[in-house]
Amino acid sequence: GNSVTQMEGPVTLSEEAFLTINCTYTATGYPSLFWYVQYPGEGLQLLLKATKADDKGSNKGFEATYRKETTSFHLEKGSVQVSDSAVYFCALRLNTGFQKLVFGTGTRLLVSP
Amino acid sequence: NAGVTQTPKFQVLKTGQSMTLQCAQDMNHNSMYWYRQDPGMGLRLIYYSASEGTTDKGEVPNGYNVSRLNKREFSLRLESAAPSQTSVYFCASMGGNGANVLTFGAGSRLTVL
Repeated sequence: GNSVTQMEGPVTLSEEAFLTINCTYTATGYPSLFWYVQYPGEGLQLLLKATKADDKGSNKGFEATYRKETTSFHLEKGSVQVSDSAVYFCALRLNTGFQKLVFGTGTRLLVSP
Repeated sequence: NAGVTQTPKFQVLKTGQSMTLQCAQDMNHNSMYWYRQDPGMGLRLIYYSASEGTTDKGEVPNGYNVSRLNKREFSLRLESAAPSQTSVYFCASMGGNGANVLTFGAGSRLTVL
């Protein structure tokens, strides 16, 4: 079946540190890949996405590259801020017919000043 | 503001009581979803509605029912609440424009005693 695996958290960093959150996927077709972010007390919101192999999604300083050869979509940011503290979800959606999003379990990021 | 509106935000029930979570979107989206979020489990799909007039089970439908009242509204009903249904519930919607992006509500925190 289709699934997403994320690194367990929490990930604890100091402000201005480099961030990587790993995400790998298993899919029966060619999915679109997403990162969603959930700030405390809020619903999820889209952070970035990539729809085909080698695409790079980017937003708010975050980047992720769709790597078909390693079935990965790792999230990176060069210099995190306290305001980036949140839970990050990797997700996939197949591009054929009506498909639902499949989410990973989420990775909590805590950034300290 | 355009988006997904859920009510109530918080609810405490006793075991065996019933309640309905309401969800409405004003973005003219075709598909709507109900997820639950539990620690360490990520988001799990309860039910979804691909279009007005249709509903289907997701991963964890037992103990729940849904109604797609019209294109805007998608409600989730717990007929006889159990402590295992203590969770945060999210409604989401997605347009049919190929963007594959979910828009989430702010969530409803339900506690069953």
